[in-house]
Amino acid sequence: RKEVEQDPGPFNVPEGATVAFNCTYSNSASQSFFWYRQDCRKEPKLLMSVYSSGNEDGRFTAQLNRASQYISLLIRDSKLSDSATYLCVVIVYNNNDMRFGAGTRLTVKP
Amino acid sequence: DAGITQSPRHKVTETGTPVTLRCHQTENHRYMYWYRQDPGHGLRLIHYSYGVKDTDKGEVSDGYSVSRSKTEDFLLTLESATSSQTSVYFCAISDGTKTDTQYFGPGTRLTVL
Repeated sequence: RKEVEQDPGPFNVPEGATVAFNCTYSNSASQSFFWYRQDCRKEPKLLMSVYSSGNEDGRFTAQLNRASQYISLLIRDSKLSDSATYLCVVIVYNNNDMRFGAGTRLTVKP
Repeated sequence: DAGITQSPRHKVTETGTPVTLRCHQTENHRYMYWYRQDPGHGLRLIHYSYGVKDTDKGEVSDGYSVSRSKTEDFLLTLESATSSQTSVYFCAISDGTKTDTQYFGPGTRLTVL
């Protein structure tokens, strides 16, 4: 079993749609959680951190459920520019131990 | 954007040849990392460094070595390249605080024929 699992997609949605991604992690000792965005043939870039209380950044909402060991990302009012691969990332013990999911691909269509 | 560059950006080489990839940062961050990214896999850590001349192995270190003689430079060497090392290689940096995340360079696309 992979340490961080994501639905690879692809998710194909129309502009304006709301889309949600889930990610599960296997190590209950995991401490920090992030969503990264990766455009085609580019480097991953931090989208947002994920806090236990849930957090929002504009159209993006991230939530953490420690009991069930999953993380979610909700994108409201999807834009064409949201098309990318979204990586779920977990830090287990320290910053040298980041575990990456394989990513969920999103395509937003006109 | 974090000041991280990688060189070369693209390289094609032959099996059995040594290859060195360079990562350069201008952020004065203590930690530097090398990852590889392959289809169907998340990024996997090859080696990392926690200071000048201080390095440690990651998840997929076999066939790779690293060196860090200056804070700003972290070199990854494929001692004798194999086709299984065809991949995209990313360098990352962090300042090492518990909640800090990592910032990635633009990547090097390596093909081993």
